[in-house]
This record gives sequence, structure tokens and C-alpha cells, in this order.
Amino acid sequence: EVQLVETGGGLSQPGGSLRLSCAASGFGVSSYYMSWVRQAPGKGLEWVSFISTTGTTYYADPMKGRFTISRDNSKNTVSLQANTLRAEDTAVYYCARAQYNVWPNVFVDFWGQGTLVTVSS
Amino acid sequence: QSVLTQPPSMSGAPGQRVTISCTGSSSNIWAAYDVHWYQQVPGTAPKLLIYDNTNRPSGVPDRFSGSKSATSASLAITGLQAEDEADYYCQSYDSSLSSWVFGGGTKLTVL
Repeated sequence: EVQLVETGGGLSQPGGSLRLSCAASGFGVSSYYMSWVRQAPGKGLEWVSFISTTGTTYYADPMKGRFTISRDNSKNTVSLQANTLRAEDTAVYYCARAQYNVWPNVFVDFWGQGTLVTVSS
Repeated sequence: QSVLTQPPSMSGAPGQRVTISCTGSSSNIWAAYDVHWYQQVPGTAPKLLIYDNTNRPSGVPDRFSGSKSATSASLAITGLQAEDEADYYCQSYDSSLSSWVFGGGTKLTVL
């Protein structure tokens, strides 16, 4: 059974940092694009970042230079290092497995349950 | 303001058919990038409903179907059931942003 479990959310002050982790089971993270998608309270979905099977990383513009996605194939985990946090980064962060048939038509085929990040003083 | 435009809300009675639209522009849907659809029941994680415009993952009822024209995409739900009450999101790729984008979401109420 495919499962994604996020940890690491919590409260951070503006300008602070958090590291989110995602433990995968039922498949190998090295074989799929892995992604983070976030959802601010009461708002819609917003793509954050992808890491490809070859390690290439992609970021949405608001996250570039502040967020870093990485993968540990030996532990079957994906992480998101979020630095210089802002109030507008407050959201539930979902770890997600993604794939595509024809690039760049990537879609998410499985989602974790999410972890809440709150940025507030 | 989302790059992909969806109606904020829709409603239908049990058994009815509803169609949710997703309108794009020349840098996404009009550029022939595929559209994917997700269902999110309040308080839960999203779930993939339709990928590559028209394909249903295993386990998704055939009451759900997707279509795409040159300028927009649609999600149709037939035989509406109470359990279909949820938020629905379309998603595609935008070449001007070089980014994957979601629609603003449509809240579907089953009357």
C-alpha cells in the first residue's frame, strides 16, 4: 500500500526555518517525481516544488532561493527545507508522488495527509 | 488570482449531472498542455480524479469524466451523490510561468 507521512510542521517566527520530512512506503521515492504542494487556511492548492528521478529540482517563484527539496533514497524520504519563512507561508504542506506520460504534463497521483506550518510572531 | 479559472461554487441535486469548467489561456490550456482534476473532501487530502484530460485512475467511479477543448477543460459528474460534496481543482502547466498551476477550486454542494 502506498503511504506518505509528513512530519516537521509547527510554529515558526517570521524569518525562521523549518524542515519538513516525508516518509514513503509502498514504493521507492527514487523511481518517481516527488513534490510538495501547500494549501493556506481556507484557500486553494499551490504547487511548491518537485524533485525529479535524476535529482533535478523545480520551485515555484515565491519559494525560489528560500526552499530546498531533497531526497534520501536509502531512507526512502523526501524533505523540504524552508528558510526565511514569511506569514504567507502559513499552510498545510502536502507531500505528493507525481508522474507524467508526456513532459511537462506532471500530475500528482498520491498525496500524504499534510503537515501544518504556521509562521507567526 | 489563479491562472486557471474555475467557478467558485456549484450545486446540484442527487442524481443530477454537473459540469465544472476550467478556463485557461495561451500559455497553458490553449497551448495544449494536459489538464488534471482533483477532489478534496473538507478536512482531507486531495485525491486524483482525472489525469491527462480524460483518464480515470483505478478506483475512480465512471460517474466522473473529463474533457478538453482548445481553450478549456471540464469535469462532469453524473448521478450526483451526497459523497461528491467536495472541492474540485483543475491543474495544468503554464509555460509563461514555467510552473505547474492549479485552478482556484470549485466548491460543489449536493442539495
